[in-house]
Amino acid sequence: DAGITQSPRHKVTETGTPVTLRCHQTENHRYMYWYRQDPGHGLRLIHYSYGVKDTDKGEVSDGYSVSRSKTEDFLLTLESATSSQTSVYFCAITSGTRLNEQFFGPGTRLTVL
Amino acid sequence: GQQVMQIPQYQHVQEGEDFTTYCNSSTTLSNIQWYKQRPGGHPVFLIQLVKSGEVKKQKRLTFQFGEAKKNSSLHITATQTTDVGTYFCAGPLVSGSSNTGKLIFGQGTTLQVKP
Repeated sequence: DAGITQSPRHKVTETGTPVTLRCHQTENHRYMYWYRQDPGHGLRLIHYSYGVKDTDKGEVSDGYSVSRSKTEDFLLTLESATSSQTSVYFCAITSGTRLNEQFFGPGTRLTVL
Repeated sequence: GQQVMQIPQYQHVQEGEDFTTYCNSSTTLSNIQWYKQRPGGHPVFLIQLVKSGEVKKQKRLTFQFGEAKKNSSLHITATQTTDVGTYFCAGPLVSGSSNTGKLIFGQGTTLQVKP
């Protein structure tokens, strides 16, 4: 498996609280992605990054922000968590040479009560 | 907007039976990828198809990309319990002219295999 870790792996929080999920890679890959996975919806792109401090929105970005201050770390923040953000969150990376071949982290299961 | 649809959503088979999942895109794709996710696990890249009409095999798995590059299929011959999981297809998310590796995924087909 590619060197991708996510933290925390599980989190339970309350509505209205801020939450930050971390994705860490050891592959020095340029491109990083955050997805959420919900039953019946597959994987949906939240935000992605194509380099340090270069990020852009995906298809379901409302309520989420990201930051990438170092190549190896991509942070996903829920400024004020809502129950609709209960989901499994996956980080993915890809190299510049095989752009469409994505390697996924183990995932973070987030429950917002 | 751009959509990728997969059918069926679920499939239960007896071990040894064949299985096929189909993927249809609303737009022509430059390439298509397939991923497998085991229960409780994360998606794992299986293969990428690029050429119109391309067929690739990985042991008991056969992947096909349609002539119009708008559909694809994954066929598993003689399923085994190790094939259990959810299979996703994914294509490039069209956005401008640059390729940023953004993918749009189908909803997935979950395969259950009875021993």
